[in-house]
Amino acid sequence: EVQLLESGGGLVQPGGSLRLSCTASGITFTQYAMTWVRQTPGKGLELVSGISGSGASTYHADSVKGRLTISRDISKNTLYLQMNSLRVEDTAVYYCAKSRGLYYYFGLDVWGQGTTVTVSS
Amino acid sequence: DIQLTQSPSSLSASVGDRVNITCRTTQTVTTYLNWYQQIPGKAPKLLIYAASSLQSGVPSIFSGSGSGTEFTLTISSLQVEHFATYYCQQTYYIPYTFGQGTKLEIK
Repeated sequence: EVQLLESGGGLVQPGGSLRLSCTASGITFTQYAMTWVRQTPGKGLELVSGISGSGASTYHADSVKGRLTISRDISKNTLYLQMNSLRVEDTAVYYCAKSRGLYYYFGLDVWGQGTTVTVSS
Repeated sequence: DIQLTQSPSSLSASVGDRVNITCRTTQTVTTYLNWYQQIPGKAPKLLIYAASSLQSGVPSIFSGSGSGTEFTLTISSLQVEHFATYYCQQTYYIPYTFGQGTKLEIK
């Protein structure tokens, strides 16, 4: 069974940093694109970052470009989201989600339980 | 960015009802359209991918149709466990955007 387990959320002041981790079991990272999706009551669901199965290409939404960075460690089967220069509007539940294939086209079929990031002074 | 508009935004229905939820996109996404179900406090769950393909393990009372700019998720016979929020997502154009959600409530 494929499982994704996120960690690293918490309370941080505006301008601060956090690193989210997502440890996967039951899958080989190189066979699937992986993403971070966040959810807020006001803006709904937003796919903020993704990395292709090969690792050759990454995606970051304009709203986070230059501040949030996706990466992965294949040896640890772990996906990361480095979050710098955090803003109040980054407050959300962050989900790690696996794509059905090497890219993002055919949906996200496995999700973690979510980790909450709160940016507040 | 492609905008996705779901209708209705909320819907009251009864157990056993047949329900249709529509998702309209501002540009064609061919069939790169996925549907998710979210129960409060849980992560979204993939139901339908590529507009009409049923995700493994999802009961066949769920079905999807459409192409281009208009898509429909149909639940043929509502059960108690289907009262949730449903989202569409397009994966044709970056950024891969979601609809605002349709909340399905018990009448």
